[in-house]
Amino acid sequence: DQQVKQNSPSLSVQEGRISILNCDYTNSMFDYFLWYKKYPAEGPTFLISISSIKDKNEDGRFTVFLNKSAKHLSLHIVPSQPGDSAVYFCAATVQGAQKLVFGQGTRLTINP
Amino acid sequence: DTEVTQTPKHLVMGMTNKKSLKCEQHMGHRAMYWYKQKAKKPPELMFVYSYEKLSINESVPSRFSPECPNSSLLNLHLHALQPEDSALYLCASSQDSQGNYGYTFGSGTRLTVV
Repeated sequence: DQQVKQNSPSLSVQEGRISILNCDYTNSMFDYFLWYKKYPAEGPTFLISISSIKDKNEDGRFTVFLNKSAKHLSLHIVPSQPGDSAVYFCAATVQGAQKLVFGQGTRLTINP
Repeated sequence: DTEVTQTPKHLVMGMTNKKSLKCEQHMGHRAMYWYKQKAKKPPELMFVYSYEKLSINESVPSRFSPECPNSSLLNLHLHALQPEDSALYLCASSQDSQGNYGYTFGSGTRLTVV
């Protein structure tokens, strides 16, 4: 049972435009959500997180939106840059549970 | 130092070998984790250590044996592995045992069992 789903295996975006990566979850107990970026041969790098008490969190070019009723979150990257090309993982947890559940990842390619 | 360091980066071992993966962090993080990632799959949790004590074992086979000698080090001892255990093994740490403020991951050890 995949509790965190990223239904788009890949996404291609023009440099300078907005990249929108989507994530759905099924476990209503999840109350903390994170996005990670992963380059080949490296471990995931933490990007941004959001608690379930919020519906938006912004950090520079990265904004995460949470829609609890739809059990959906999205990561917006504006403007997209070539260095943003990587695999992006959505992850969810119940605070205190010490366990991150990851989605399958979306490969983002930024075209010049 | 804001990194989690994993050694070795690559490891090839036979099914009768005994080897160990090592992980080190000097950020004062009190929780450390082992994750396993197969190709084109998300990372999956194996073990969690909180304040140097094993707090979660995700029903991992006994051929994987974790050890936390101190608050900065985490080892994963491997013995009698199977070819299907070939994967990227990721170590992570977090500031507190709740995993708040995100997890910092190492670059991983790519393990091949032959």
